[in-house]
Amino acid sequence: EAGVAQSPRYKIIEKRQSVAFWCNPISGHATLYWYQQILGQGPKLLIQFQNNGVVDDSQLPKDRFSAERLKGVDSTLKIQPAKLEDSAVYLCASSLDWGEQYFGPGTRLTVT
Amino acid sequence: KNQVEQSPQSLIILEGKNCTLQCNYTVSPFSNLRWYKQDTGRGPVSLTIMTFSENTKSNGRYTATLDADTKQSSLHITASQLSDSASYICVVREDSNYQLIWGAGTKLIIKP
Repeated sequence: EAGVAQSPRYKIIEKRQSVAFWCNPISGHATLYWYQQILGQGPKLLIQFQNNGVVDDSQLPKDRFSAERLKGVDSTLKIQPAKLEDSAVYLCASSLDWGEQYFGPGTRLTVT
Repeated sequence: KNQVEQSPQSLIILEGKNCTLQCNYTVSPFSNLRWYKQDTGRGPVSLTIMTFSENTKSNGRYTATLDADTKQSSLHITASQLSDSASYICVVREDSNYQLIWGAGTKLIIKP
């Protein structure tokens, strides 16, 4: 069974630039999550989708972050414009409804 | 406020030795508790999950315990191996809105 795929694995941008991350969940998983993990901390949920609908985006900084899952499969997370404090690893996870979450390898973002 | 606190923040032990990691939580109402292992540069991988009625669960050399009365959990690693070097994260699911509360993790380093 293929795991959660994410790209790119690494990205370096300057502040005020924009960036987008892509996630392909495990086939058949209805629920998709985007997390932000700052070095030395646990993951923080940014947004949770159930199929193509948003379940929880309470911790998503909506003035600069956006996410979509148009066909209920792949998802993209965008940051525009980026700030220095956005430097982190962005993890995507998927699950069957409310079950165990399976994580991708993450995208390490460095904002200079 | 729902919180998960882990100790120690970091730990260095010699290969072959045992160790115990601690997790205290204030999450209520409680649904379940998971321990994840996160290798450097990878996403978290689930080790164990325990519900309210379970007080111990093993996964190979990993044994997790749960005391729901004192709201404490521990992860015991037996006969450590170099591949056990990773961050270990405790996660508690709240039972009202199914929100996951993540700890900051314990960084474990196994030295030969």
